[in-house]
Amino acid sequence: DTAVSQTPKYLVTQMGNDKSIKCEQNLGHDTMYWYKQDSKKFLKIMFSYNNKELIINETVPNRFSPKSPDKAHLNLHINSLELGDSAVYFCASSHMAGHRGYGYTFGSGTRLTVV
Amino acid sequence: GESVGLHLPTLSVQEGDNSIINCAYSNSASDYFIWYKQESGKGPQFIIDIRSNMDKRQGQRVTVLLNKTVKHLSLQIAATQPGDSAVYFCAGLNFGNEKLTFGTGTRLTIIP
Repeated sequence: DTAVSQTPKYLVTQMGNDKSIKCEQNLGHDTMYWYKQDSKKFLKIMFSYNNKELIINETVPNRFSPKSPDKAHLNLHINSLELGDSAVYFCASSHMAGHRGYGYTFGSGTRLTVV
Repeated sequence: GESVGLHLPTLSVQEGDNSIINCAYSNSASDYFIWYKQESGKGPQFIIDIRSNMDKRQGQRVTVLLNKTVKHLSLQIAATQPGDSAVYFCAGLNFGNEKLTFGTGTRLTIIP
């Protein structure tokens, strides 16, 4: 199936740990994103990469480090996890040139719970 | 900066009736607006979009209206079905910075 897939779907971890979330898209898109959705369902962009190059870094703490090994993958590594990092993290992809809503595809999310 | 928000956090509608979800935005520099639907445990799904130079666009059972004078966006869903129950987001895009900014969401519940 063509899609944006992210793993794991659920992640429960203790404060202070380091964890990674992986994302892959097989849509041929050249831009990938990480969004964070808080407990009130508010969605906010964190990062975007275009062809492995960082485009948007939305003043996210430097404990969060995105890595894009190729344009089909964008991983998110989080160091020294804090309680406030608990949220659902969504990966998304689109075509940068002609960035349009109909081409903007989201993954199904990773629910991170820090205890 | 960009700000996109919704008037009502929850909305309940009888099955078969029409529903209207509203959204207000503060940044007139948005070039493009999109409505997304998010079902429980899933990511946002594209519903319909509209360019800032349009005032209305129709899809299958959905219509988006844009009033730039009062910076207001709405999503109309006709003949609602149980499957329409979800959280709906509006989002604005500025082509200059390529950033999609979401509103706070409205939870739509369809009553059988």
